[in-house]
Amino acid sequence: DGGITQSPKYLFRKEGQNVTLSCEQNLNHDAMYWYRQDPGQGLRLIYYSQIVNDFQKGDIAEGYSVSREKKESFPLTVTSAQKNPTAFYLCASSEQASAGGRYNEQFFGPGTRLTVL
Amino acid sequence: GNSVTQMEGPVTLSEEAFLTINCTYTATGYPSLFWYVQYPGEGLQLLLKATKADDKGSNKGFEATYRKETTSFHLEKGSVQVSDSAVYFCALSGAMTTDSWGKLQFGAGTQVVVTP
Repeated sequence: DGGITQSPKYLFRKEGQNVTLSCEQNLNHDAMYWYRQDPGQGLRLIYYSQIVNDFQKGDIAEGYSVSREKKESFPLTVTSAQKNPTAFYLCASSEQASAGGRYNEQFFGPGTRLTVL
Repeated sequence: GNSVTQMEGPVTLSEEAFLTINCTYTATGYPSLFWYVQYPGEGLQLLLKATKADDKGSNKGFEATYRKETTSFHLEKGSVQVSDSAVYFCALSGAMTTDSWGKLQFGAGTQVVVTP
């Protein structure tokens, strides 16, 4: 079955540590996204990538970093510079967000819940 | 910039009641509009979508009509079930002529609780 996988489902981090969240998709989508979700709030875009080896900052990129070395993978690193990292992190993908991806429908993974101890 | 406003929750209903969740938006041009649903502890699933004015999206008994004149995309269902309990998000994707195309702007979400 095609889809998006995120691992781990739950992650605990001590203050001052970097941690990397995994996101893999086998939908052959060009574009991938990372969102952060806090209780009672909508999703906020952290980073997005429209093509391999290229990515752009979203609305709340400070304290986060990403890489896009392969089409199917878009890992997110939460660095020690992120002051309030406890949140639910969602990865998504879509067809190319340009001429081909007209409807921009995004498919979401199951999420990773990060807690800072 | 683009923005989405949806009614605050929680919305508590009895089974078989009528559900409406209001959603209004601000955007340049003609965005695409979406409703996503999130069940507890899970990611988001696309519920329905509409890509141009007067389009009606529908799925699983839910409907929403893209109203350009009122910049709205209200979600409705005629008879809810306990299994419809979830958080519902309204979202838009910017018009093709803007640099926000391809990125989704989400509302804050509305929690719906359906009781037997």
